[in-house]
Amino acid sequence: AQKITQTQPGMFVQEKEAVTLDCTYDTSDPSYGLFWYKQPSSGEMIFLIYQGSYDQQNATEGRYSLNFQKARKSANLVISASQLGDSAMYFCAMMDRGSTLGRLYFGRGTQLTVWP
Amino acid sequence: NAGVTQTPKFQVLKTGQSMTLQCAQDMNHNSMYWYRQDPGMGLRLIYYSASEGTTDKGEVPNGYNVSRLNKREFSLRLESAAPSQTSVYFCASRRTSGSRTDTQYFGPGTRLTVL
Repeated sequence: AQKITQTQPGMFVQEKEAVTLDCTYDTSDPSYGLFWYKQPSSGEMIFLIYQGSYDQQNATEGRYSLNFQKARKSANLVISASQLGDSAMYFCAMMDRGSTLGRLYFGRGTQLTVWP
Repeated sequence: NAGVTQTPKFQVLKTGQSMTLQCAQDMNHNSMYWYRQDPGMGLRLIYYSASEGTTDKGEVPNGYNVSRLNKREFSLRLESAAPSQTSVYFCASRRTSGSRTDTQYFGPGTRLTVL
């Protein structure tokens, strides 16, 4: 069963506007972590933001924030004031903390294009 | 502080050839991982190592072997390459204590083509 679902294969946003990338997840473990990674065209995976399932507040890192809705099992990434350099593939991922494995389950990604 | 490094960056193999992908991290992380990325599939776990001296299979281990040489290094070996192993391979590492216990950090990737 797919643990992470990203329903938007592609998104477009104008420079300086905000954009929301959707992510829903599936787990029965009460303790888990949610991550967003950015993959630019150069190919590397860049960690952006993390949200723990017990965190009381939504995570923020600069222009990135995570809209965490636990009851709906969603962890959407919000990018404020988009920049041309934000054009990239974005992956949502989850780790079940109950597992000692510590593996990440990835979604299929959303290709974000920022236009001037 | 280089983080996670991988060699080589690119490789072309013929079917049946063998090769080893190298990964090293200088962050003193305990856990290390190998993933593969195929178009439209996200990343899938091949093997992982929770600590030095231990390795275990992930989601797609067939056709691969791994070695955790020491705490820094974790290699992935293809004994007899097949076209289905054409992919981009990522190594990652994770610290298991501290304030950011869960974050995995990735290497730059190895783009492998098997003809």
